[in-house]
Amino acid sequence: GIQVEQSPPDLILQEGANSTLRCNFSDSVNNLQWFHQNPWGQLINLFYIPSGTKQNGRLSATTVATERYSLLYISSSQTTDSGVYFCAVPMDSSYKLIFGSGTRLLVRP
Amino acid sequence: DTAVSQTPKYLVTQMGNDKSIKCEQNLGHDTMYWYKQDSKKFLKIMFSYNNKELIINETVPNRFSPKSPDKAHLNLHINSLELGDSAVYFCASSQANRGQLFFGSGTQLSVL
Repeated sequence: GIQVEQSPPDLILQEGANSTLRCNFSDSVNNLQWFHQNPWGQLINLFYIPSGTKQNGRLSATTVATERYSLLYISSSQTTDSGVYFCAVPMDSSYKLIFGSGTRLLVRP
Repeated sequence: DTAVSQTPKYLVTQMGNDKSIKCEQNLGHDTMYWYKQDSKKFLKIMFSYNNKELIINETVPNRFSPKSPDKAHLNLHINSLELGDSAVYFCASSQANRGQLFFGSGTQLSVL
């Protein structure tokens, strides 16, 4: 089945810094989603981005489907950005989303 | 209005008991899911229903039984709870297999 790898596994930033999170996947996909799990455990869908670039405030995401990777950019990080970021892709164009193991981000004030 | 709501938020119970978690979505989606998140934060799909039909049934013990009375509701019943069942269980919904996935707030199950 499809493999999803995220890097780095852990990241510590000072407030105001920028960062890039990466998601590599082993097979072609028609769907890629980024999620943020905040310290209270809530899972929020950030982006649905099968290809191209999208922006939402200080966050943006780019998926290069032909090269099988996606990047999540966080600019001017804030303490509220702390948590775990997951990317997920479907297995075999099915309903089954496979999640990466996540990037744990800590933003210090 | 909460889009995907699940109850209870916390569930503490003894080994051997039977418990249920309820989930409802008001997004008009046709597909609902149960995911399990373990202590290392790894998320894995357990079940999925599309228009009340079971379409994904991962390798999950028979003690876990999902039920979807209509496409807005998906419940999870667990029989004979074991220590290893302790985890956070998330309900989610999407529109078919290409839509954005939206999660409920999770149910933290602790089996003592």
